[in-house]
Amino acid sequence: ETGVTQSPTHLIKTRGQQVTLRCSSQSGHNTVSWYQQALGQGPQFIFQYYREEENGRGNFPPRFSGLQFPNYSSELNVNALELDDSALYLCASSFGFNEKLFFGSGTQLSVL
Amino acid sequence: KQEVTQIPAALSVPEGENLVLNCSFTDSAIYNLQWFRQDPGKGLTSLLLIQSSQREQTSGRLNASLDKSSGRSTLYIAASQPGDSATYLCAVSSTGANSKLTFGKGITLSVRP
Repeated sequence: ETGVTQSPTHLIKTRGQQVTLRCSSQSGHNTVSWYQQALGQGPQFIFQYYREEENGRGNFPPRFSGLQFPNYSSELNVNALELDDSALYLCASSFGFNEKLFFGSGTQLSVL
Repeated sequence: KQEVTQIPAALSVPEGENLVLNCSFTDSAIYNLQWFRQDPGKGLTSLLLIQSSQREQTSGRLNASLDKSSGRSTLYIAASQPGDSATYLCAVSSTGANSKLTFGKGITLSVRP
């Protein structure tokens, strides 16, 4: 059984650029959630996808968008990057919502 | 709006000590509460999950308790080891249509040999 995998592990972008982060959910899991963790802070909920549909969104602007594919893998897209978008982006999968979440190792995004 | 608080932000103890990490939350309408461990620059590892109807959960040297009415949880670590050094985060899942977790900022634990 494979765990949650995220790619890339590290990424450096320039302000104004666009970025796509990828997540493969754990085998058998149909729900993916994305979190942003700034340095020294707890993770903040971005959004959740359940069976390819968005199922809840946190307090993030529309330039943060996502997608879930039929195999339940997921992408997080961020447009018009800002310096404050520099953070660790975490993906978590589960079988259904309100179930135990399994987190990936994250993508460290630096915006210069 | 749910808020989760973990105090203190950092803790240093000698090896072998039993310790308690505290977590408080403002809205008692939770579905479950989880404790996570995070090593520097890494993802989160779930340690224990307590459903709202439960009072405690145990795994090895770890014991987590939940008092929903008072909005508090504790994580008890017995016989601490240097390998326990990490940041410990508490998160609550509120009742509702998704499993959005609200996290505290974490407690950074250092266990001195």
